[in-house]
Amino acid sequence: QSVLTQPPSASGTPGQSITISCSGGSSNIGGSYVHWYQRLPGRAPKLLIYGTNQRPSGVPDRFSGSKSGTSASLAISGLRSEDEADYYCAAWDDSLIGHVIFGGGTKLTVL
Amino acid sequence: EVQLVESGGGLIQPGGSLRLSCAASGLIVSTNYINWVRQAPGKGLEWVSVIYTGGSIYYADSVKGRFSISRDNSMNTVYLQMNSLRAEDTAVYYCASASDFFYYAMGVWGQGTTVTVSS
Repeated sequence: QSVLTQPPSASGTPGQSITISCSGGSSNIGGSYVHWYQRLPGRAPKLLIYGTNQRPSGVPDRFSGSKSGTSASLAISGLRSEDEADYYCAAWDDSLIGHVIFGGGTKLTVL
Repeated sequence: EVQLVESGGGLIQPGGSLRLSCAASGLIVSTNYINWVRQAPGKGLEWVSVIYTGGSIYYADSVKGRFSISRDNSMNTVYLQMNSLRAEDTAVYYCASASDFFYYAMGVWGQGTTVTVSS
């Protein structure tokens, strides 16, 4: 059971917009940057969003991140079949110095 | 090209030891936080350990006392020594670098190396 809670699954149709939530607490999301990783089938994880709402070079602007209080969200607009992957949020926790905490992951299916 | 390459995985009996290597090219391990992250079959990502630029080291509770992370600057390589291995350590192990450029998110990942602990 992860400290950061994500829905285990999400789905959408091509062109649709979806949001994946990541719920934590004041000691982690509430006081830390949130990062998001995408893990395509059979591939290593890839940094998708860093610093809560920043996109690395090469990540389409269809992907965006936000945070409100102790919850963070990853929004994907204009869903494409190649977005089908597992998505993980991550943050640090004040009570676990040096530790990175991952959410349990959300499997996104593009119908 | 910036690249991390893991090696050293394999099949090992419970109680055994393995040393994983994470060789870097295009980045200097001593100027990055190098993490080990694992993914067990059917499970999510689990952070395992990190070595900071200044040498500080941290471990997940699940591996503390059994795993040891180290760095060889001359080889530009980070190692994960895994002792007293258990079945629940079976996973794909990734090394990933983090720097202030990405607010210490893990911006570069290796391809992973598979560790299977089984008799």
